[in-house]
Amino acid sequence: GEDVEQSLFLSVREGDSSVINCTYTDSSSTYLYWYKQEPGAGLQLLTYIFSNMDMKQDQRLTVLLNKKDKHLSLRIADTQTGDSAIYFCADAFSGNTPLVFGKGTRLSVIA
Amino acid sequence: DTGVSQDPRHKITKRGQNVTFRCDPISEHNRLYWYRQTLGQGPEFLTYFQNEAQLEKSRLLSNRFSAERPKGSFSTLEIQRTEQGDSAMYLCASSLGIAQDEKLFFGSGTQLSVL
Repeated sequence: GEDVEQSLFLSVREGDSSVINCTYTDSSSTYLYWYKQEPGAGLQLLTYIFSNMDMKQDQRLTVLLNKKDKHLSLRIADTQTGDSAIYFCADAFSGNTPLVFGKGTRLSVIA
Repeated sequence: DTGVSQDPRHKITKRGQNVTFRCDPISEHNRLYWYRQTLGQGPEFLTYFQNEAQLEKSRLLSNRFSAERPKGSFSTLEIQRTEQGDSAMYLCASSLGIAQDEKLFFGSGTQLSVL
């Protein structure tokens, strides 16, 4: 079936940039999403990108999409301790099916 | 509207008991989803509704699980004869359900512990 893969852990120093990577298998993906989950909480939508775009910037967040390689990344500039959380990549396969999530990347920010 | 709300936040039950969770979506949202999340995993899709119609159910949803959305507003998820493997966070999400833009808004979840 369709799949979304992410690396499990990332550790960065406060003030540095974080880059979280994701690969997906569906060639007909329409939208791809990034969600953030803090301990004991539900998922918060951070940003998303339409499949005909290569890049989207939203304040400290930059999403890059390489459709050829089916690779999605989330860059967080000037990472803060409050950014420590689990980040999930999600794919709306073929546009009209429930989102499929990766296992999440746990971001740890060291002060 | 304050977003998606779920009740209860935590549920501890003994194996074999039935449990029911409630989700109230964002009021203008047509679609309502149930996901399950276990430790170290991403959310796994269980089922979703378009208004009151249940459109899709995952193979994960055994016949002990049933979900309803009787009036197209709130939804309930019932688990009968709970097993220890049912212990997880049960997440509800809602979306406008238009076109191909499926921005899901999640509740805080119900943490189920089956002893």
